[in-house]
Amino acid sequence: DGGITQSPKYLFRKEGQNVTLSCEQNLNHDAMYWYRQDPGQGLRLIYYSQIVNDFQKGDIAEGYSVSREKKESFPLTVTSAQKNPTAFYLCASSMTGYGVAFFGQGTRLTVV
Amino acid sequence: GEDVEQSLFLSVREGDSSVINCTYTDSSSTYLYWYKQEPGAGLQLLTYIFSNMDMKQDQRLTVLLNKKDKHLSLRIADTQTGDSAIYFCAERMNDMRFGAGTRLTVKP
Repeated sequence: DGGITQSPKYLFRKEGQNVTLSCEQNLNHDAMYWYRQDPGQGLRLIYYSQIVNDFQKGDIAEGYSVSREKKESFPLTVTSAQKNPTAFYLCASSMTGYGVAFFGQGTRLTVV
Repeated sequence: GEDVEQSLFLSVREGDSSVINCTYTDSSSTYLYWYKQEPGAGLQLLTYIFSNMDMKQDQRLTVLLNKKDKHLSLRIADTQTGDSAIYFCAERMNDMRFGAGTRLTVKP
């Protein structure tokens, strides 16, 4: 089945640790995105990539890093510099930078 | 703050129509979208409308676009309890901008 797979579904992080969230798509989409969702708020863009080996910061990139070494994969690292990382993280992809975006099922990250 | 605005809550009775409203700010938006999110899940694309259209109908869903007022609405006919979810409006420019979401509650 074609789609976007995020893993893990739940992730716990200790203070001061870096963690990496996985996002893989087999839709042959060029563009991929990471969003953060907090209760009662809309989605806020962290990073996006329109092509392999290139990515741009979104509105809240501080404390996060990404890579785009393969078309299918766009992992997000939440670093220790991110002071409030507990949130629901959503990955999306679209055929082009202007196409319809499809979402994964999300990863809920909790700091313990 | 968000560029896309939605009311946060809507409650309807089963069988009634639901209308969820959205205003956006960028007249150069190419596509406008409605997504549905159920608890603990990702966003499911419901429908979208291209900026040169006024209306789009898809089964129980009707999308109306008023470009002059930058207003988008989603009407759900014969609302069912399974329609209870959060509905997000989004506009597409270079990236996608989302509203805060409208929580639709359907009462039996």
